[in-house]
Amino acid sequence: EPEVTQTPSHQVTQMGQEVILRCVPISNHLYFYWYRQILGQKVEFLVSFYNNEISEKSEIFDDQFSVERPDGSNFTLKIRSTKLEDSAMYFCASSGQSEQFFGPGTRLTVL
Amino acid sequence: AQSVTQLGSHVSVSEGALVLLRCNYSSSVPPYLFWYVQYPNQGLQLLLKYTSAATLVKGINGFEAEFKKSETSFHLTKPSAHMSDAAEYFCAVSDPGGFKTIFGAGTRLFVKA
Repeated sequence: EPEVTQTPSHQVTQMGQEVILRCVPISNHLYFYWYRQILGQKVEFLVSFYNNEISEKSEIFDDQFSVERPDGSNFTLKIRSTKLEDSAMYFCASSGQSEQFFGPGTRLTVL
Repeated sequence: AQSVTQLGSHVSVSEGALVLLRCNYSSSVPPYLFWYVQYPNQGLQLLLKYTSAATLVKGINGFEAEFKKSETSFHLTKPSAHMSDAAEYFCAVSDPGGFKTIFGAGTRLFVKA
């Protein structure tokens, strides 16, 4: 069964460093998403992406964040200058015409 | 705007007892509704989903949920709790286009021996 994959599973970085989280969506899906879950809290929508542009973003998704589909298979989330409060689990998701399928997540730890 | 409310941040049941996790939603369009389970330090596993077909939805691990439009509810049940059911459960809603999913705050289920 096709699935969304994410790399790395765990990323540790120093505050102020840039990080790129990678996702490979399901191959025939056209809509892509990033979500964030701070430890012990609920899953929060960050951004949706369709046709090579952002279709919706939340207030969390500020100028520090960017998304890109650099090739036909990857979908990336970049955080330019990480802060301590960016420490969270980041989930990628993709969808066709109905529900979203979530990846296993990348745990980002900012020291 | 869509929203989800999960009643009870913690629910504790004895092994073998009925599990009932409550979820109410708000949506201006007919929604898609989901229950996810999350074990410690793991990702989200889809338990079941409602996408406008049968109102009683059966999922994995013996869970089921009933969509009640009149009550705007989508409560999750399991007749007999097992120790392995102890986890965090999230109710979620999306519009039929699936452009984003809104999650509830989660309910942590404890199962006592």
